[in-house]
Amino acid sequence: QKEVEQNSGPLSVPEGAIASLNCTYSDRVSQSFFWYRQYSGKSPELIMSIYSNGDKEDGRFTAQLNKASQYVSLLIRDSQPSDSATYLCAGNAGNNRKLIWGLGTSLAVNP
Amino acid sequence: SAVISQKPSRDICQRGTSLTIQCQVDSQVTMMFWYRQQPGQSLTLIATANQGSEATYESGFVIDKFPISRPNLTFSTLTVSNMSPEDSSIYLCSVLRTGGTYEQYFGPGTRLTVT
Repeated sequence: QKEVEQNSGPLSVPEGAIASLNCTYSDRVSQSFFWYRQYSGKSPELIMSIYSNGDKEDGRFTAQLNKASQYVSLLIRDSQPSDSATYLCAGNAGNNRKLIWGLGTSLAVNP
Repeated sequence: SAVISQKPSRDICQRGTSLTIQCQVDSQVTMMFWYRQQPGQSLTLIATANQGSEATYESGFVIDKFPISRPNLTFSTLTVSNMSPEDSSIYLCSVLRTGGTYEQYFGPGTRLTVT
């Protein structure tokens, strides 16, 4: 099992729908989790961080963490074409401050 | 979040030459990282740039090929030495947000093409 695993996609949703992005992780990745958005030709941009079990909401974005099942997800409500990007899931391992990255999920929101 | 700049934004270099990429942050940060991202791929950590000491390299990356400097808490450079076409990639610096979190913020990246 990869340490942080994501479906590569592409995930395609119609405008206005909820986009659901999922990420699973191994035992080594244990503490904090992050979702980054990366537009084509641009650098990754942090959109959500989550540290404890449960949901965390920020505008149209909700991150969900379930440590018992070892998954973290990102929900995007009322998806817009401008949400079309690659979404990278990352987690940290231990206290060394390095992040372990998934391969990313490509999201396409169709008008 | 910190404002991070990188120079150059892109370059085309010949095989066998070296390129130094600069990363400047508008505030002092404890940790800086250098990544490589090849087309269509995720991020690969090259090294952690430590202020006042040698960088910490990840498996598969060595100092002779990717020397790193970090003379102060706002600046770092990555040199890609003796380049080959396989070094064509986007190189990104990131900084760790201060305050005890693990959030990283990225510079705009340097797109390197080696011919």
